[in-house]
Amino acid sequence: SAVISQKPSRDICQRGTSLTIQCQVDSQVTMMFWYRQQPGQSLTLIATANQGSEATYESGFVIDKFPISRPNLTFSTLTVSNMSPEDSSIYLCSVERSITSGILRGQYFGPGTRLTVT
Amino acid sequence: TQLLEQSPQFLSIQEGENLTVYCNSSSVFSSLQWYRQEPGEGPVLLVTVVTGGEVKKLKRLTFQFGDARKDSSLHITAAQPGDTGLYLCAGAPGAGSYQLTFGKGTKLSVIP
Repeated sequence: SAVISQKPSRDICQRGTSLTIQCQVDSQVTMMFWYRQQPGQSLTLIATANQGSEATYESGFVIDKFPISRPNLTFSTLTVSNMSPEDSSIYLCSVERSITSGILRGQYFGPGTRLTVT
Repeated sequence: TQLLEQSPQFLSIQEGENLTVYCNSSSVFSSLQWYRQEPGEGPVLLVTVVTGGEVKKLKRLTFQFGDARKDSSLHITAAQPGDTGLYLCAGAPGAGSYQLTFGKGTKLSVIP
């Protein structure tokens, strides 16, 4: 498995401000992923972050609103810009791991950042 | 857009009962993953199935991938309170693709 940490674990922010969420992995990985999980909902992929290139955003998400950095193979940040109450969600980062046993191939998630915008 | 429909959305059962959660789609997936998420935590990977018709067992949990690779099921035998959580299925659309599509989840409560 992978050990993934996120900071902050939770925050309450004012409308119009920005918050940067950090994601640290215990080993080098090629791709990192950022998801949003709105209250009572499932996970929606925001973007895929590769080291050394620009992040690839999913439909409905744009770089100006959710800028992502990926300075090295163990770290990434997601910024939620110009926040509104609709941005209140849990934000999760994950990495893909392939283990030869097969049964554990999949994505490993951080604990999430619970964001409330007032 | 590929969609995964999970059912039931909510399930409340007594300890010791059996249950099955379903994950269905009209699309074909190269693999399908099951996760369990507890409040305040990220999803934890339980299993990945990749071959049509594949069955995998994890203690009291049995996972099956449909022959056509469009659906999957999770069966729990003799549920325990520790099984309580949100169960999510997620499909990978193609070989080498990591953009997972998640179902809406099944919220399971096992009452002692």
